[in-house]
Amino acid sequence: GAVVSQHPSWVICKSGTSVKIECRSLDFQATTMFWYRQFPKQSLMLMATSNEGSKATYEQGVEKDKFLINHASLTLSTLTVTSAHPEDSSFYICSAWERTNYGYTFGSGTRLTVV
Amino acid sequence: RKEVEQDPGPFNVPEGATVAFNCTYSNSASQSFFWYRQDCRKEPKLLMSVYSSGNEDGRFTAQLNRASQYISLLIRDSKLSDSATYLCVVNMVGGYQKVTFGTGTKLQVIP
Repeated sequence: GAVVSQHPSWVICKSGTSVKIECRSLDFQATTMFWYRQFPKQSLMLMATSNEGSKATYEQGVEKDKFLINHASLTLSTLTVTSAHPEDSSFYICSAWERTNYGYTFGSGTRLTVV
Repeated sequence: RKEVEQDPGPFNVPEGATVAFNCTYSNSASQSFFWYRQDCRKEPKLLMSVYSSGNEDGRFTAQLNRASQYISLLIRDSKLSDSATYLCVVNMVGGYQKVTFGTGTKLQVIP
């Protein structure tokens, strides 16, 4: 089946530093990937849609200069949290649309803690 | 009105019970629908797609009512392992795929 690999699984960083999260589709090509954020006991919130070879589309209220998305190939999208602050601490999950299974396959998520 | 709405629950049901969740959506142009399951601190996993004709997978039955703009999930003979949060997902596929998640319904199956 379709597999999306997300790394790292968890990361702790200092305020002001940047963190890069990778999302790879292992056995299929993903022209579109999605990045979500989930705070404790809340639902998944779509942050942005990542399109291969073009600029990402950000949801309202998500700062594109703070959350940099790069989708340079059909199998890799990255999310960089720049100048991280403690309020950016959250669970970040990527997903990709996999046509055969007709569904969204999710990465295992990255738990980011900013101290 | 939210684009996708679910009763957050929790639904506490005994083992063996039948439980049903509904999910309403506001955009009539929505084209595809899914139920996902999310365990605590894990990523969501696809439970089943929802087709207009309704579909069944073992103890799980999903239905779509386009006229009333809701989807449902029925779980029969609940197991302890069914305890999770069930997410309704609505996708409006066009030139730009827009996917919207419901807030999820928490199910707790009790021994």
